[in-house]
Amino acid sequence: GQQVMQIPQYQHVQEGEDFTTYCNSSTTLSNIQWYKQRPGGHPVFLIQLVKSGEVKKQKRLTFQFGEAKKNSSLHITATQTTDVGTYFCAGRLGSGYALNFGKGTSLLVTP
Amino acid sequence: EPEVTQTPSHQVTQMGQEVILRCVPISNHLYFYWYRQILGQKVEFLVSFYNNEISEKSEIFDDQFSVERPDGSNFTLKIRSTKLEDSAMYFCASSVGLATYNEQFFGPGTRLTVL
Repeated sequence: GQQVMQIPQYQHVQEGEDFTTYCNSSTTLSNIQWYKQRPGGHPVFLIQLVKSGEVKKQKRLTFQFGEAKKNSSLHITATQTTDVGTYFCAGRLGSGYALNFGKGTSLLVTP
Repeated sequence: EPEVTQTPSHQVTQMGQEVILRCVPISNHLYFYWYRQILGQKVEFLVSFYNNEISEKSEIFDDQFSVERPDGSNFTLKIRSTKLEDSAMYFCASSVGLATYNEQFFGPGTRLTVL
């Protein structure tokens, strides 16, 4: 079945440094979503990418979808302590809307 | 802002007992989901529900699990005979259900502890 892999598993940065997490799928994705989960919280939707090569920005966050629609990345510029959490990418599991989550990248930002 | 709600927030049960986890999805959403997350691990899909029937389910969702929408607002997950390995956070989610816009709204979760 479809596998969604994420690297790195953990990232520890100093506040102000940049951060990137990468997501790769074993199969072509119709779209990809990104979620953030704060410690002790629930996943919160960040964005959905649909088109090949798509790039979307949300303030300091930049999301990219690969040309082959098999990989994606999330880049945070100048991290802040509020960015702490686990970032998950998720692809559609099958023909429906269920999501197959990656293992996530846990970001720790120290001041 | 509308949100998904779940009850209880924490459920402790003995192995072999039945549990029912409850969720109220966002009112105008059409698709409902259950996911689980074992501590420190990724979010795993269990089942999706649309038009009063299961639309997709994973290998985890075996005969011990069932879902129901008993009325117009609640969406429940039943585990008939709990096992130790069922201990996890269970998240309910809902979405509008469009291919181009399928943001899933997650509830706060129910932490299930099986002793």
